[in-house]
Amino acid sequence: DSGVTQTPKHLITATGQRVTLRCSPRSGDLSVYWYQQSLDQGLQFLIQYYNGEERAKGNILERFSAQQFPDLHSELNLSSLELGDSALYFCASSRQGGRGGYTFGSGTRLTVV
Amino acid sequence: AQSVTQLGSHVSVSEGALVLLRCNYSSSVPPYLFWYVQYPNQGLQLLLKYTTGATLVKGINGFEAEFKKSETSFHLTKPSAHMSDAAEYFCAVSETPDKLIFGTGTRLQVFP
Repeated sequence: DSGVTQTPKHLITATGQRVTLRCSPRSGDLSVYWYQQSLDQGLQFLIQYYNGEERAKGNILERFSAQQFPDLHSELNLSSLELGDSALYFCASSRQGGRGGYTFGSGTRLTVV
Repeated sequence: AQSVTQLGSHVSVSEGALVLLRCNYSSSVPPYLFWYVQYPNQGLQLLLKYTTGATLVKGINGFEAEFKKSETSFHLTKPSAHMSDAAEYFCAVSETPDKLIFGTGTRLQVFP
C-alpha cells in the first residue's frame, strides 16, 4: 500500500457520459498530480494541485477538470466521454514536489464503450 | 526545459543476464533523477533516486543506477535478471521543484 488511494479501481461507462475519479493523497502530502496512461500515448501529465490550488496544467482536455478539496483529496472529472478516453488514470502525491519524487496510487482503469 | 530520453522501448534479456536500461537527460541545472517501475496493472513504484552526493545509487530489488554528469546519463542496471523483474521502467527528471518529467518507458522482458 503506497498510501495514495484511488477509487474506483475499475469503471466501465458509455460514450457521452460523465465520471468522477477520486484520489486521497498520502498523509502529509500537499501536492496531487493526475496522469493518464494509454498504450498509444504513454504516461501523460494532466494537472497538478497544491494545497487546494491549481499549480500546473499538462495535456488535459477541456472536457476534463479537476479540483482539490480542503481535506486535500482530489477529484478528476471526465465528461462527454469518448472511446479514446479509455485509459489508466493515476494519481500521485508528493511532500517536497518533484525533488522528493512522487508516490503513485494503483490507478483507475476507465473503459468507455 | 528539462527532458528525459529512454533508449529502447523494449529490452529482452535471459534470466541471469545483465540488465541495462538507458536514460539520458537534459538539464541546465543540477538534476534530480529517478527510476520508477510499473508491474502489470499496478501504479508506478519508486526504484531509486539521485539527488546529490554519491553518484552510484542503490535501489530496491538489486537495481542500481549511476549518475554520469559528463554523459548526461542515469542508466539503470542489475547484475542478474529475475523473471520477476519483467515490468515497465520509467526514468524521470525533476524539472522544477514541483514537477517530474517522465521518459516514455522501457518494457523489460525476461526469458527463462
